[in-house]
Amino acid sequence: GNSVTQMEGPVTLSEEAFLTINCTYTATGYPSLFWYVQYPGEGLQLLLKATKADDKGSNKGFEATYRKETTSFHLEKGSVQVSDSAVYFCALSTSGNTPLVFGKGTRLSVIA
Amino acid sequence: EPEVTQTPSHQVTQMGQEVILRCVPISNHLYFYWYRQILGQKVEFLVSFYNNEISEKSEIFDDQFSVERPDGSNFTLKIRSTKLEDSAMYFCASSLQGPNTGELFFGEGSRLTVL
Repeated sequence: GNSVTQMEGPVTLSEEAFLTINCTYTATGYPSLFWYVQYPGEGLQLLLKATKADDKGSNKGFEATYRKETTSFHLEKGSVQVSDSAVYFCALSTSGNTPLVFGKGTRLSVIA
Repeated sequence: EPEVTQTPSHQVTQMGQEVILRCVPISNHLYFYWYRQILGQKVEFLVSFYNNEISEKSEIFDDQFSVERPDGSNFTLKIRSTKLEDSAMYFCASSLQGPNTGELFFGEGSRLTVL
């Protein structure tokens, strides 16, 4: 079946530090990959996505590259800000209308 | 900006009671979903709804659960007889396209506590 594994949190970083949140997946079929973010008091919202191997999704300074050979979709940002403090969820969906499958989420806290 | 709204934000109930969680999806969206997250665990898919019927459901979505779109705007999740293990955050979502191609818009969640 389809599953997503994310690195355990919480992750605490100082402002301007480099961020990596690891995500690996298993899937039957050829998945689309997503990162969702949940800011405090809000619902999950799509941060970025990639639909085929070697695609790079990017948004708000975050990026992730779809690596089929390592079945990974790690989230990176070169310089985090306090406003990036949130919970980040990796997710996948395979072809058709199969539901999104999420990881556990990784809580990021950025301190000034 | 249009958003998905959920009520209540928090509900406490006794085991065995019926609970209805309400959601107002984004008005022109066609696909509707319920997910839940037990504390410290993954966000789990419960059910998706399209064209006025259930399109997919997970093993979690047993006979105790039902969904309804009673009036063309609300989308409800009913738990007929709650159990302790139903305590979780329940998220409603909607999308214009199916999950593989479209972006899901989530509500803030309804926290259910079963005592």
